[in-house]
Amino acid sequence: DAGVTQSPTHLIKTRGQQVTLRCSPKSGHDTVSWYQQALGQGPQFIFQYYEEEERQRGNFPDRFSGHQFPNYSSELNVNALLLGDSALYLCASSFGPYSYEQYFGPGTRLTVT
Amino acid sequence: GENVEQHPSTLSVQEGDSAVIKCTYSDSASNYFPWYKQELGKRPQLIIDIRSNVGEKKDQRIAVTLNKTAKHFSLHITETQPEDSAVYFCAATSGNTPLVFGKGTRLSVIA
Repeated sequence: DAGVTQSPTHLIKTRGQQVTLRCSPKSGHDTVSWYQQALGQGPQFIFQYYEEEERQRGNFPDRFSGHQFPNYSSELNVNALLLGDSALYLCASSFGPYSYEQYFGPGTRLTVT
Repeated sequence: GENVEQHPSTLSVQEGDSAVIKCTYSDSASNYFPWYKQELGKRPQLIIDIRSNVGEKKDQRIAVTLNKTAKHFSLHITETQPEDSAVYFCAATSGNTPLVFGKGTRLSVIA
């Protein structure tokens, strides 16, 4: 039973560039949530995708966008990268948008220089 | 919206002693309170959770208590071992709202 997977593991980008991160949910899960974890902080909710639509969104600018595919996998896109976007980006999956239990992927470490 | 405060930010204990981490939340609608353990460079892993209809839950050396009236919940680890060293996060949600995390507690167990 495959858990949540994310790619790539690490990524280095320059200010102003765009980045795409990918997530495959745990087998049987249909909902994907994305979190940003800055160094020394707790994860902060970016948005959640269910049935290929953004269902909820946290306090993040429009530079952060996403997509969910029919196979439930998801992408997080960040445009016009800022130094402050450097963080660990975590994907979490669940069965249904109202499920309490979320399973996290290993994360993608994004460094913006 | 929900706000979760977590204390202390760092905690050092001797191996075999107990460790307690406390969290408070602001939204009375929150009814699910998970605790995650995150080792360096790894994903957060759910170690225990509690729902608002329960006051205490135990799983071997780990326990969580919830005081709904005071809006606080705590993680208790007994007989600590070096492998318990990690960052622990509390979180809260009402189920149809996103998980809101505390800022984390770095626990060091000294052998």
